[in-house]
Amino acid sequence: GNSVTQMEGPVTLSEEAFLTINCTYTATGYPSLFWYVQYPGEGLQLLLKATKADDKGSNKGFEATYRKETTSFHLEKGSVQVSDSAVYFCALSEFYMGGTSYGKLTFGQGTILTVHP
Amino acid sequence: DSGVTQTPKHLITATGQRVTLRCSPRSGDLSVYWYQQSLDQGLQFLIQYYNGEERAKGNILERFSAQQFPDLHSELNLSSLELGDSALYFCASSKKEGTEAFFGQGTRLTVV
Repeated sequence: GNSVTQMEGPVTLSEEAFLTINCTYTATGYPSLFWYVQYPGEGLQLLLKATKADDKGSNKGFEATYRKETTSFHLEKGSVQVSDSAVYFCALSEFYMGGTSYGKLTFGQGTILTVHP
Repeated sequence: DSGVTQTPKHLITATGQRVTLRCSPRSGDLSVYWYQQSLDQGLQFLIQYYNGEERAKGNILERFSAQQFPDLHSELNLSSLELGDSALYFCASSKKEGTEAFFGQGTRLTVV
């Protein structure tokens, strides 16, 4: 079955530091890949996505590149802010008829990011 | 605001009881997904509907059931509640299956 593995947290950084959160996946076909962010007490928000190999998703200074050869989708940001403190989830979605996957998301375990001033 | 509305935001109930969680998807979205988030299990897919039809089931207990109504809102029914059912329950919707899903704020269920 599909699975997503994220680097273990928590991750603690100082403001303006460089961020990388590793994510690797296992899938049967050609999934779409996503990063979601969950701020304290809130739901999940879509941060960025990539739908095919070599696509780069980007949003709010975050970016991730879909690497089929290494089955990875690492999240990066050049300079983090205190407001980036949240839990980050890597996820994949596959859709194929006649199977058991109709676009449901498979999530990694989440990485807690804390940014200090 | 994602456009997905979940009610209630919080629920406290006793073991053995039954509750109904409600989800209104974004306007135009046909697909609704339910997820459970707990500290020990993380985010787990429960069930998916598309335009009123059940499409996929995940780790959903037999005590749990769901449906999607003609107006596309969805309800998740949890019965014979146990302490271990305490969790955050999220609903998400998407226009088509396999496209990005947008999440509601969740319903925090506490079983005492």
